Amino acid sequence: SQKIEQNSEALNIQEGKTATLTCNYTNYSPAYLQWYRQDPGRGPVFLLLIRENEKEKRKERLKVTFDTTLKQSLFHITASQPADSATYLCALDLGGYNKLIFGAGTRLAVHP
Amino acid sequence: DTAVSQTPKYLVTQMGNDKSIKCEQNLGHDTMYWYKQDSKKFLKIMFSYNNKELIINETVPNRFSPKSPDKAHLNLHINSLELGDSAVYFCASRGLAGVSYEQYFGPGTRLTVT
Repeated sequence: SQKIEQNSEALNIQEGKTATLTCNYTNYSPAYLQWYRQDPGRGPVFLLLIRENEKEKRKERLKVTFDTTLKQSLFHITASQPADSATYLCALDLGGYNKLIFGAGTRLAVHP
Repeated sequence: DTAVSQTPKYLVTQMGNDKSIKCEQNLGHDTMYWYKQDSKKFLKIMFSYNNKELIINETVPNRFSPKSPDKAHLNLHINSLELGDSAVYFCASRGLAGVSYEQYFGPGTRLTVT
């Protein structure tokens, strides 16, 4: 069956550390993989997209990797800050009309 | 300027009623979507329109009917509301196919059916 899983429901880290979030999937062949941030009571906000032929993508303190052999994406936030506390969603983009299949999200809490 | 807006933000209604949620985007995008986020926070696609044409229609009860009067608007009408319809409904839009991939989400409409 097709599945997309994100690691643990909640991740607690200290300010200044690197947060690493995992997204694993089975029985999909995504053309792209996207990461979104969702704050309570708000809609998801796009962060980064990585293509199937890209290994790594960076944007400021964010880094995403994509391993199509392992069927896994890792999302890193370096020098984390309390303002980074939110739920992070990974989404498989199957191409075409960009039907996104979302994971359940990982809630990140960065403590001062 | 609000990119993707939805009305209402909250909707409380009784079982059996019919209700509508409206969505508008001012980004000039061609494609719009409706998602449902349930209590377990799973965000699932329901429908998608591209330039007023229905292109994605997931397994959704036919009590749900989307309508796109023009490419800037996508409305969702729900007939005979049930308790299980309680969720947050998000509208989203995306730019030109093959060029723009990220989706822009509205603030959500929290529907509570009692």
